[in-house]
Formats: sequence, structure tokens, C-alpha cells
Amino acid sequence: GNSVTQMEGPVTLSEEAFLTINCTYTATGYPSLFWYVQYPGEGLQLLLKATKADDKGSNKGFEATYRKETTSFHLEKGSVQVSDSAVYFCALSAVDTGRRALTFGSGTRLQVQP
Amino acid sequence: EPEVTQTPSHQVTQMGQEVILRCVPISNHLYFYWYRQILGQKVEFLVSFYNNEISEKSEIFDDQFSVERPDGSNFTLKIRSTKLEDSAMYFCASSSPGQGSLSYNSPLHFGNGTRLTVT
Repeated sequence: GNSVTQMEGPVTLSEEAFLTINCTYTATGYPSLFWYVQYPGEGLQLLLKATKADDKGSNKGFEATYRKETTSFHLEKGSVQVSDSAVYFCALSAVDTGRRALTFGSGTRLQVQP
Repeated sequence: EPEVTQTPSHQVTQMGQEVILRCVPISNHLYFYWYRQILGQKVEFLVSFYNNEISEKSEIFDDQFSVERPDGSNFTLKIRSTKLEDSAMYFCASSSPGQGSLSYNSPLHFGNGTRLTVT
């Protein structure tokens, strides 16, 4: 079956530090990949997505590249801010099998200190 | 910006009781979903709903659970005879149909969740 593995948190960084949150996946076929973010007290929001190999999703300074050869979709940001403190979820959908349901990773909490 | 709204934000119930979690999806969306997150664990898919019927469900979604779209705006999750292990955050989501080959990549819009506590 499909699965997503994320690095465990919490990840604690100082403001303006470089961020990497690792995500690897197992899926049949060619899934679409997503990063969702959950700010305190809020629901999950789509941060970025990539639908095929070598695609790069980007939004709000965050980037992730769909790497089929390593089955990875690591999230990066060059300079984090305190406002980036949240829980980040990697997810996939097996669109080529006709399933819309997302399979999520366990989430990684990011804490950015001033 | 349109939002998915969920009520209540927190529900406390006794074991064995029935609960109904309510969601109002975004008005022009056609696909509806329920997910749950047990504290400290993964966000898990429960069920998706389209055209007034269940389109997918996980092994978690057994006979204890049911979903309904009773009118043109609400989407509900009913849990019968709640158990302690049903305590979790339940998220509703909706998505638009998209167009053509992009239809499966329409992003899901999530509500803020209902925290269910079974005592």
C-alpha cells in the first residue's frame, strides 16, 4: 500500500536558518505529492504540490522537488521566520489509480525561535 | 476566501453514545472527505463522498461510522456507540471537481477540525 515517512520533530531553528524536512514515500504508480501546513488552532492548508517527476512545487519561500529516483519530496526554505512555526505534513495521492484520498505522513513540528 | 467550517470545535461524549460531527464544505465543491488524527499520530483517511454516495473508504470506516449530506450545504459524520479509541481530531475537507486531467490534483480544503473526547 501507499505510505509516507517524514522526519520526526520537533525541529527547532533560529530565525533566518535554513530548513529541510525530509519526506520519502512508497506508492504504486506515479503519485502526486503535497505538503500541507497546520498553524496552531487551524486546519490543514495546502502549501505546495508536484504532480510528476522532477516537478518543483513552491510557495511562500518553501520549495520541494519530486524525486522519483529517490522517492523523496523534501521540503526546504532558505530563511525561516517565527511565523513559519507550525506542523508540516507530507502527503500523496495515487491519482493514476483513481484514488483521490490523501495518504499523510505523521507530521513534523517546526519551532522557529527569534 | 471561502472556508470549510466544522462544528462543534470540541465534543465530549460518554462511551457508547452516538455523536454527529458537522461540516459545511465550500459551496461549489463536489467532493467531500473525513479524516481523523489521533493525538500524536498520523492524519488518517476515513471516507470520501461524491454525488450523494461514498466513493472511497478506509478500513477504519466500519459499520460504526456513516456519512450523510442531508441538505445542500451540510456534510455529517455519525459515530454510533463511541469507544474510547474514537477520541481524536476529526477533519472535514472538500475539493472542486477540477478539469480534465487536473481533476485529481484539485487541492483539498480542510476545516479546523472537531476534537472528539470519549470518556
